[in-house]
Amino acid sequence: NAGVTQTPKFQVLKTGQSMTLQCAQDMNHEYMSWYRQDPGMGLRLIHYSVGAGITDQGEVPNGYNVSRSTTEDFPLRLLSAAPSQTSVYFCASRNAVTSTGELFFGEGSRLTVL
Amino acid sequence: TQLLEQSPQFLSIQEGENLTVYCNSSSVFSSLQWYRQEPGEGPVLLVTVVTGGEVKKLKRLTFQFGDARKDSSLHITAAQPGDTGLYLCAGWRGGKLIFGQGTELSVKP
Repeated sequence: NAGVTQTPKFQVLKTGQSMTLQCAQDMNHEYMSWYRQDPGMGLRLIHYSVGAGITDQGEVPNGYNVSRSTTEDFPLRLLSAAPSQTSVYFCASRNAVTSTGELFFGEGSRLTVL
Repeated sequence: TQLLEQSPQFLSIQEGENLTVYCNSSSVFSSLQWYRQEPGEGPVLLVTVVTGGEVKKLKRLTFQFGDARKDSSLHITAAQPGDTGLYLCAGWRGGKLIFGQGTELSVKP
């Protein structure tokens, strides 16, 4: 039961470096999203997608890019990392037709930017 | 300002005590959700409340949706160390799931 898989689990970057956080789901979910979690701030939405080829911004999109070329994958790109992007990142997906609106989360990727 | 305000943010209690966590908003939601998150893992859905005034029970956890659908509460009876974790309320708004700040619960044996 893979569900939502995120890689890597841990990453250390230097300021200005770029990287991609990978997210894949095997539940054929149309909706996928990226959140960051910081102490005392809950989860804040970065970007989301309602299907292949469609992406939109969340609450805190600056400094992040996304694309959705397939239903299964939703990578998050940091083009020039900054210390303010040190956080734990979660990918989540849901079946767009379900009435409960339950989001299924990955285990998270902890990113440190020095 | 957060669309969903949770209180308290931190709660440390002894095993066997009761507790209530609140989730409040100035906006109406068609439904509210409660998630639980353990260290090193992603949040997991506990319940969705849909109807104003609705009460749902999950073993020792009782969830209530306010009559005006602007608030919700989570009550835990006789808390156990296994209840320790981060509790998050959330609501869908314009195709996005918005979360409160979370309540970090620690239950000591």
